[in-house]
Amino acid sequence: EDQVTQSPEALRLQEGESSSLNCSYTVSGLRGLFWYRQDPGKGPEFLFTLYSAGEEKEKERLKATLTKKESFLHITAPKPEDSATYLCASRGGGGTSYGKLTFGQGTILTVHP
Amino acid sequence: DAGVTQSPTHLIKTRGQQVTLRCSPKSGHDTVSWYQQALGQGPQFIFQYYEEEERQRGNFPDRFSGHQFPNYSSELNVNALLLGDSALYLCASSSPGEGDTQYFGPGTRLTVL
Repeated sequence: EDQVTQSPEALRLQEGESSSLNCSYTVSGLRGLFWYRQDPGKGPEFLFTLYSAGEEKEKERLKATLTKKESFLHITAPKPEDSATYLCASRGGGGTSYGKLTFGQGTILTVHP
Repeated sequence: DAGVTQSPTHLIKTRGQQVTLRCSPKSGHDTVSWYQQALGQGPQFIFQYYEEEERQRGNFPDRFSGHQFPNYSSELNVNALLLGDSALYLCASSSPGEGDTQYFGPGTRLTVL
């Protein structure tokens, strides 16, 4: 069964203090590792998809990286508006995994001014 | 271009009642997936619809059923509501042409009293 674990559960940063969020995954035949941002009471907003180890993607202050067992979301010089819950999800390669996303529990990021 | 839309926004029901939630996918998308998100947790996969058929199902009881219409919109039905069904219900749409990346709607907040 696919499993995704995120750490830490919560992270408090000062504005401008860079850090990283971790996502560990166990999935048969990875067909995508996804990062989403979710604001309170709203649906997840798509950020990145990574498909193979060594792949990196960037968007503004965010950079996502992927290894064979983990993904990291690096936040450089965060601003208060980056405060949100960040969700990681995997999609497996076949059988009962095909099509569905398996999510971690999320990391709640708070950036103080 | 409208993204994924869901209705209603909020819903309050009592135990034993039945509920229907609705979803319109993003323009050009033909696949709809439904997720349940309890407070403080990541979304849990309920099922996925493609070409008006249930393609894949998560670990949810038969009280949860769905339908997809020819215009690709979808409904989620839950019978015999339990207190534990209180959650944010998320709809996501996707298309093979966009790498099957799932884009989420704003969700329907269901409260069961």
